[in-house]
Amino acid sequence: DTAVSQTPKYLVTQMGNDKSIKCEQNLGHDTMYWYKQDSKKFLKIMFSYNNKELIINETVPNRFSPKSPDKAHLNLHINSLELGDSAVYFCASSQTPGASASEQYFGPGTRLTVT
Amino acid sequence: GDSVTQMEGPVTLSEEAFLTINCTYTATGYPSLFWYVQYPGEGLQLLLKATKADDKGSNKGFEATYRKETTSFHLEKGSVQVSDSAVYFCALLDTGRRALTFGSGTRLQVQP
Repeated sequence: DTAVSQTPKYLVTQMGNDKSIKCEQNLGHDTMYWYKQDSKKFLKIMFSYNNKELIINETVPNRFSPKSPDKAHLNLHINSLELGDSAVYFCASSQTPGASASEQYFGPGTRLTVT
Repeated sequence: GDSVTQMEGPVTLSEEAFLTINCTYTATGYPSLFWYVQYPGEGLQLLLKATKADDKGSNKGFEATYRKETTSFHLEKGSVQVSDSAVYFCALLDTGRRALTFGSGTRLQVQP
């Protein structure tokens, strides 16, 4: 009955490779997010989709490309991985973007290590 | 722009001690405020929230009051347990924004 799930949980890869992280939510929410948590635990928004439409695209290298095939899925593809991409990536979902009472539900995170 | 400032950790307390983790914010609109908790190796869980001034959020013995005059949302608990050891994040969702702005997190370590 996992609400927001991510795969894989751990990802170790070499510099220059291309990798994808997948996220699925079964809450019926219409908005999904990707956040990045760096080694100092600081969390920052990367992207957000509402009904498969990109609504937030923060200052992120264009090596990162999100894709939302439907409302329940939001994947993150990363090209030409760099050492600095090592982080924990969290997927989240919410019912209505910007609604004051709307809370975001987070997945367990994907720990990406680039060597 | 929006920002959230939390006290730096780690905060180390003995079991049953009183906890306060300070959080202040700047926002251009009328934000909703949240505390999230991250237990070791896990994702973030919503701990409590408040959507307007003077609201008090509470859950699992934790409380925080939305103070507009001091732009603060301090987290408190009267008696901490070892199981409360985690990283606590203060966050805001500003009017018209669509993503949370997080503070830097405060690690709490509770010793038996």
